Amino acid sequence: DGGITQSPKYLFRKEGQNVTLSCEQNLNHDAMYWYRQDPGQGLRLIYYSQIVNDFQKGDIAEGYSVSREKKESFPLTVTSAQKNPTAFYLCASSIDPPFRGSTNEKLFFGSGTQLSVL
Amino acid sequence: GENVEQHPSTLSVQEGDSAVIKCTYSDSASNYFPWYKQELGKGPQLIIDIRSNVGEKKDQRIAVTLNKTAKHFSLHITETQPEDSAVYFCAASPGANNLFFGTGTRLTVIP
Repeated sequence: DGGITQSPKYLFRKEGQNVTLSCEQNLNHDAMYWYRQDPGQGLRLIYYSQIVNDFQKGDIAEGYSVSREKKESFPLTVTSAQKNPTAFYLCASSIDPPFRGSTNEKLFFGSGTQLSVL
Repeated sequence: GENVEQHPSTLSVQEGDSAVIKCTYSDSASNYFPWYKQELGKGPQLIIDIRSNVGEKKDQRIAVTLNKTAKHFSLHITETQPEDSAVYFCAASPGANNLFFGTGTRLTVIP
């Protein structure tokens, strides 16, 4: 089945530790995204990538880093600089580059990773 | 930047009744308005979207209306069923490298 796979489902981070969230898609989509979801709030964009080896910061990129070495993979690292990392993290992809009014900008989301601080 | 407000935050309806969720946006440049449904433990899934050149769009029991002058758009679900219970998010995009989401509405359909 085609789709987006996020792992792990639950992740715990110790003080001062970097952790990496995995996101893999087999939809052959060019664009990929990372969103953060906090209780009672909407989704906020952390980073997005339009194509391999390219990525841009979203609204809340501080304390996070990404890479896009392969089309199907877009891992997110939550660094120790992110002081409030506890949240639900969602990865998404789309056929076309994001937010340009394309008819193929529908986002396909993974099932998310819940990150908590020990 | 764009600011999207969504109401109500929670909504309970009897099975078979209609449900309406409303969103307002601030940036008149926004031209794309999707609605996502998020079931427990899952990622959001697009259920319907509308562009600024259209006033209304329907897909079976779901419809979305857009009033560009007032800068608001609404999701209408008719003949609700228990499987409609979920959190619904509206969003707006001014086409400037972001999609701005509302804070979500938790819909509960009571059998």
